[in-house]
Amino acid sequence: GQNIDQPTEMTATEGAIVQINCTYQTSGFNGLFWYQQHAGEAPTFLSYNVLDGLEEKGRFSSFLSRSKGYSYLLLKELQMKDSASYLCAVRDPGEQAGTALIFGKGTTLSVSS
Amino acid sequence: NAGVTQTPKFRVLKTGQSMTLLCAQDMNHEYMYWYRQDPGMGLRLIHYSVGEGTTAKGEVPDGYNVSRLKKQNFLLGLESAAPSQTSVYFCASTSFDYEQYFGPGTRLTVT
Repeated sequence: GQNIDQPTEMTATEGAIVQINCTYQTSGFNGLFWYQQHAGEAPTFLSYNVLDGLEEKGRFSSFLSRSKGYSYLLLKELQMKDSASYLCAVRDPGEQAGTALIFGKGTTLSVSS
Repeated sequence: NAGVTQTPKFRVLKTGQSMTLLCAQDMNHEYMYWYRQDPGMGLRLIHYSVGEGTTAKGEVPDGYNVSRLKKQNFLLGLESAAPSQTSVYFCASTSFDYEQYFGPGTRLTVT
């Protein structure tokens, strides 16, 4: 079966750095995504990794190790507005699913001043 | 562009009633999806479509039906609503690139 694990909750303070981990066990692999979701809103795309290594985009970076089935999202210079849920998702490798995503349960990050 | 829109935004149903949720996208995307999101469960795929006139089952399809008669629209139907279908429903679409675009969600309560 397919399984994606990430911590349920994390807390951090403004200005700090936080790392949200994600591990996955899937029958195949065709890319890993991170989405941000504020309470009561739709998920919005943050990053995409398909090859091993680090992808940097402003204050956010995402890392992938395919051999370890592991990814992390790194958030730097935390701001209050970064308080949200962060969703790790793996693209379903089955052709018939198009580009359907399998989501983890999400990590709720609370940033305090 | 409006992106992905969903109608309605909120709905309360009684057990046994039926309803249809409408998803529309104006990005000419081939693929469209319906997810449900429940506390502690994450987003789960209900049904999806890889093109006009095609639909397929996802992880949790029971109690739902879908149709994609036009490329830009993807309808999700509940024929006989049950309290277990109380959830937030998200529609998403994508083309042959990788990013899925989500609609704002429909909050459904079944009493």
